[in-house]
Amino acid sequence: SAVISQKPSRDICQRGTSLTIQCQVDSQVTMMFWYRQQPGQSLTLIATANQGSEATYESGFVIDKFPISRPNLTFSTLTVSNMSPEDSSIYLCSVELRGGYTFGSGTRLTVV
Amino acid sequence: QKEVEQDPGPLSVPEGAIVSLNCTYSNSAFQYFMWYRQYSRKGPELLMYTYSSGNKEDGRFTAQVDKSSKYISLFIRDSQPSDSATYLCAMSSNSGGSNYKLTFGKGTLLTVNP
Repeated sequence: SAVISQKPSRDICQRGTSLTIQCQVDSQVTMMFWYRQQPGQSLTLIATANQGSEATYESGFVIDKFPISRPNLTFSTLTVSNMSPEDSSIYLCSVELRGGYTFGSGTRLTVV
Repeated sequence: QKEVEQDPGPLSVPEGAIVSLNCTYSNSAFQYFMWYRQYSRKGPELLMYTYSSGNKEDGRFTAQVDKSSKYISLFIRDSQPSDSATYLCAMSSNSGGSNYKLTFGKGTLLTVNP
């Protein structure tokens, strides 16, 4: 399975600011996925990032709030923009390799 | 009705017990079923991956799928304190490609007491 490095592992941010989360994979992958895991809730897909094209966002998530970059086949970033306390969550990147998803360790974000 | 229902627990069992974790789903298009284990402050880790109905065994873990009842289970035999984690079920209607998307349950928090 792939090894995913995600950073930062945690951060505490002021409301109104933005945070960029980085995800590095040790294999070349076509698609990378960004998830949000809120307390007591299911893992929810934010968007799918393909290299060389615009990310595809799920219902309820928009590019202005969660811009994504995918400059090559091993790296992606997710930015959480203009943060509010409701954005406090764990954000996870993931890749699909040989039928299974592999996840990074996540970024635990607290917005104060 | 949510697409995937999973009892969040918490579930507490003594060491050596058999653990049964379950999910129900409503979308009959789901064909691929997974169980993930998530330790505190870690990302989910794929435990079992099954396609269609039936049983799949891997060591102390058995995944069971009953598509007619839209019900999946994960059994853990001889449970160990190291099995203490949150267990998430996940499912998909396809196995890859641009439309690949997993739908997760909320997860069940399991504690195995020594």
